[in-house]
Amino acid sequence: EAAVTQSPRNKVTVTGGNVTLSCRQTNSHNYMYWYRQDTGHGLRLIHYSYGAGNLQIGDVPDGYKATRTTQEDFFLLLELASPSQTSLYFCASSDAGEQYFGPGTRLTVL
Amino acid sequence: SQWGEENLQALSIQEGEDVTMNCSYKTYTTVVQWYRQKSGKGPAQLILIRSNEREKRSGRLRATLDTSSQSSSLSITGTLATDTAVYFCATTGTGGYKVVFGSGTRLLVSP
Repeated sequence: EAAVTQSPRNKVTVTGGNVTLSCRQTNSHNYMYWYRQDTGHGLRLIHYSYGAGNLQIGDVPDGYKATRTTQEDFFLLLELASPSQTSLYFCASSDAGEQYFGPGTRLTVL
Repeated sequence: SQWGEENLQALSIQEGEDVTMNCSYKTYTTVVQWYRQKSGKGPAQLILIRSNEREKRSGRLRATLDTSSQSSSLSITGTLATDTAVYFCATTGTGGYKVVFGSGTRLLVSP
């Protein structure tokens, strides 16, 4: 069965802090995605990738970096976290069609 | 924005009723997907309908796609309390891999 895992599941940091969110998929999918979910906005695409070393810019990329180190692993980096980045973050993987989502990481920036 | 409607919609119905949720999109799409997200979980796909299809069924679910009006709908017949969730439509444009989600419809089905 398709599997996408995320860590940590919850994270609290302070303004200006450095945060890395991790995602791993065991689906052998080429595409991986990072979304943020906020009330009233649904899921908004931050970055996505179609393979190791590749990065594509999404719709709300400001303040975020991402890196795809292997086919399995996709990281989201917040180098100077701000309170506006408090959100629920989802990772997903896909290979032309259905997206498989992880359980989410709830990030709070104080 | 890709979407014509940005605000999260909310519907409240009784178990056993039928319901239809709609979304409209602004840009060309090759595929529309419908997802369901239950509380505390990530979204899970329900149906995928391609631009050359007008209708797709899966159990109690029926999705339609009208490319001329750039709109899609998801209908659920004989709703159950377990259908309570947020339902999203998502589009994929040319290139096939950037997926953009609408803001969703919150459905509450009371027993």
